[in-house]
Parts: sequence; C-alpha cells; structure tokens
Amino acid sequence: DAKTTQPTSMDCAEGRAANLPCNHSTISGNEYVYWYRQIHSQGPQYIIHGLKNNETNEMASLIITEDRKSSTLILPHATLRDTAVYYCIVRVGLYGGATNKLIFGTGTLLAVQP
Amino acid sequence: GAVVSQHPSWVICKSGTSVKIECRSLDFQATTMFWYRQFPKQSLMLMATSNEGSKATYEQGVEKDKFLINHASLTLSTLTVTSAHPEDSSFYICSASGPQETQYFGPGTRLLVL
Repeated sequence: DAKTTQPTSMDCAEGRAANLPCNHSTISGNEYVYWYRQIHSQGPQYIIHGLKNNETNEMASLIITEDRKSSTLILPHATLRDTAVYYCIVRVGLYGGATNKLIFGTGTLLAVQP
Repeated sequence: GAVVSQHPSWVICKSGTSVKIECRSLDFQATTMFWYRQFPKQSLMLMATSNEGSKATYEQGVEKDKFLINHASLTLSTLTVTSAHPEDSSFYICSASGPQETQYFGPGTRLLVL
C-alpha cells in the first residue's frame, strides 16, 4: 500500500472550514484514499473515502487531485468536537481479506480553537 | 449503522493471568475483523487479521501464541492476551470489515497489567 504524508498538526478556528492535506504520490490505480479520525481515548471513526472523484457526505468532503497524488479533507464548519487526530490512508479496496488491512501513519492533530 | 462494540472497555489484571477481549459487529456481518494495539502518544499498530472460520494472520513481530484470536462467527472475534505482563498494557482496538469493505472500529479496550 502507498505511504501518505500529513502535517503533524493544524489549528482551525471554530466555525471555519478545516482543510487537511494529504500527499500520496505513490498511489496505485486501484488504491482508495480513506480518512479516519480518532478523538482522544476512543476508537477511530470512519469519515469518508474515494478513488478519483470528489466525494461528500454528512461529515466532510474529500477532494482528490486529478493525478491522484494528493487529497484534501474538508470539514466545512469545524466545531470543538472535531478536535482529533485525522488519518489519511491509502488502501486497495473491495477485494476482501488481508488486502483490506489499514496501515496507520501518525496523522494530523487538528486543534479547533474557540 | 455499522456499529462495532468491544467488551470490556477497560480491564485491570495481575501479571501472569489471561485476559479475553470481545469484538462484535452489531448490525452487520463481518467475514474479516482486525485487531490493533495503541501505546500512549503513538499511532495504531495492526496486530492481526481475523477471518471467520479460519486461522488469524499475524503481523510480523506479533506472537501468535501470546495473542490468541478466535473468529467463530460472523459477528464475533475474540482476542486473548495470555500470561499478560506489564509491557502488554495498552489500548486494544478491533475493527470489522463492513459494507463496501470499509472498516468500522470498536471503542477500544484499555488493559492495565499490574
């Protein structure tokens, strides 16, 4: 699975959009980009995933560049409860079994400020 | 939907005893479940992949005789830490492969070995 690079930490003002970048320059054509977040002392929470098209759900939007070498997770209106470590992971999807395993990097600690 | 539970949420045990942690997918069936471990201020580390009805696949460096995994049904996987020692104290998190092969995580189990 391709490696990802994320900033160690970011700040965001409450109510503003939080844009979290991720580089995955070695991503393969069949690898998906997944985003999870982990609030302190809890299990990770699934946010969103995509292959090449931009995706949006009730939590966030995922923007993937045309060459797929980077992506941005957007939280449109950050709240204090969005303070967490955000993980960007690339993974071969939809094949089942061991190929589904997720390898976590160090992620980005997003601190939403009041 | 896609809820995963873990039991217990925390456990304290004496050195040398065994501890069993349960992971259940509550509203979906999971052929594949995963077990992770997380030490303070570190990222999640994948320990093993658990497949229903077959032996688990362990990551390099994880002792299969110490961390026994059983996946007897499509909604339950168990991790038993045998002869636990203080260095096994950690946050143990499971995940289950759900719809679209997306992994959904449990809330974690905090183990403290005295």
